[in-house]
Amino acid sequence: AQSVTQLDSQVPVFEEAPVELRCNYSSSVSVYLFWYVQYPNQGLQLLLKYLSGSTLVKGINGFEAEFNKSQTSFHLRKPSVHISDTAEYFCAVIVNTGFQKLVFGTGTRLLVSP
Amino acid sequence: DVKVTQSSRYLVKRTGEKVFLECVQDMDHENMFWYRQDPGLGLRLIYFSYDVKMKEKGDIPEGYSVSREKKERFSLILESASTNQTSMYLCASSLVSGSGQPQHFGDGTRLSIL
Repeated sequence: AQSVTQLDSQVPVFEEAPVELRCNYSSSVSVYLFWYVQYPNQGLQLLLKYLSGSTLVKGINGFEAEFNKSQTSFHLRKPSVHISDTAEYFCAVIVNTGFQKLVFGTGTRLLVSP
Repeated sequence: DVKVTQSSRYLVKRTGEKVFLECVQDMDHENMFWYRQDPGLGLRLIYFSYDVKMKEKGDIPEGYSVSREKKERFSLILESASTNQTSMYLCASSLVSGSGQPQHFGDGTRLSIL
């Protein structure tokens, strides 16, 4: 079965520091990978997606992620975070089937402090 | 931009009541989804629909049903609400499957069952 593991439930970081949020998936077939962000009291917003092609994907708000097939990882990075990046981040995967059933990780809460 | 609208942001109901959560999308998407979100568990799929009057069970359908009479509207029904259904409910929609189309989310309904 397809699954997604987010290794860190919470990541504290100081403003302007770099951050990496880790995501690993299990799959023996080709996948589509996503990162979503959820700000307090809001729904999920798409940050970026990997469908095919270049393994380095750039998203909104200065975030990027790298698809690594050999390590089955799709880690999210930002070189310098802002207070406003404080939110919960979800990694998700779709297996290439007829229906778009997203499988989500359990989420990582990013806490940015001054 | 895709707009997914959930009818209520906050809802308080009593055990045993029949509860309706409504979701409307304005982009003519074929697929619609209902998730519940609980701390430490991420998002779990309750039901999804790939066409009018069509529905498929997700991972946790017990205690829920759905209705899709029109393409733009997808309703989640709690037949007899129980306290363990207190949660955040998120609706999403996407274009037809098979091409890695991202899901677009509403702002969620925080449901409390007393």
